[in-house]
Amino acid sequence: EPEVTQTPSHQVTQMGQEVILRCVPISNHLYFYWYRQILGQKVEFLVSFYNNEISEKSEIFDDQFSVERPDGSNFTLKIRSTKLEDSAMYFCASSDLGSSNQPQHFGDGTRLSIL
Amino acid sequence: GQQVMQIPQYQHVQEGEDFTTYCNSSTTLSNIQWYKQRPGGHPVFLIQLVKSGEVKKQKRLTFQFGEAKKNSSLHITATQTTDVGTYFCAGVRGYQKVTFGTGTKLQVIP
Repeated sequence: EPEVTQTPSHQVTQMGQEVILRCVPISNHLYFYWYRQILGQKVEFLVSFYNNEISEKSEIFDDQFSVERPDGSNFTLKIRSTKLEDSAMYFCASSDLGSSNQPQHFGDGTRLSIL
Repeated sequence: GQQVMQIPQYQHVQEGEDFTTYCNSSTTLSNIQWYKQRPGGHPVFLIQLVKSGEVKKQKRLTFQFGEAKKNSSLHITATQTTDVGTYFCAGVRGYQKVTFGTGTKLQVIP
């Protein structure tokens, strides 16, 4: 069964540094998402992306965050100047139709640790 | 902003007992999805409910969507140890914005 893959599985970064989290969505999917989950807490929506542009974003997704689909397969989340509170698990998800119609398939996540 | 709350936050049950988690949204939803997250894992889609009052079953799991499309429930009959995990509802409002609920962590005691 096709999977969403995320790399790296664990990223340790100094506070203030930039970090890029990478995702390869399922190949025929058109909608891409980033979520974060602070340890022991709920899954929080960050952003959705369709047709090479952001379609929805949450209050969490401020100017420190950006997303990009640099080629036909990768979908990245960049955090420009990381803060301690950015430490969390970051999940990428994809769906072949919008979330109002189809479920999202999640990757295994990247655990981001900010020191 | 939209809030989706779930109760209870934690539930410990003896294997074989039933379990129910309730999900309430502050706003009317287009549809609701349910996900299960095993410890250390990622959310895995279980089901989607779209119609007001809809009830769907998957083996021992029964999902219900409220008449006002603001609440939902998941009921597991005769729990098994494989049911352990956190169950999240996810409210879909608008086109692609998904708000996950606070989750109910289920522990099943053998």
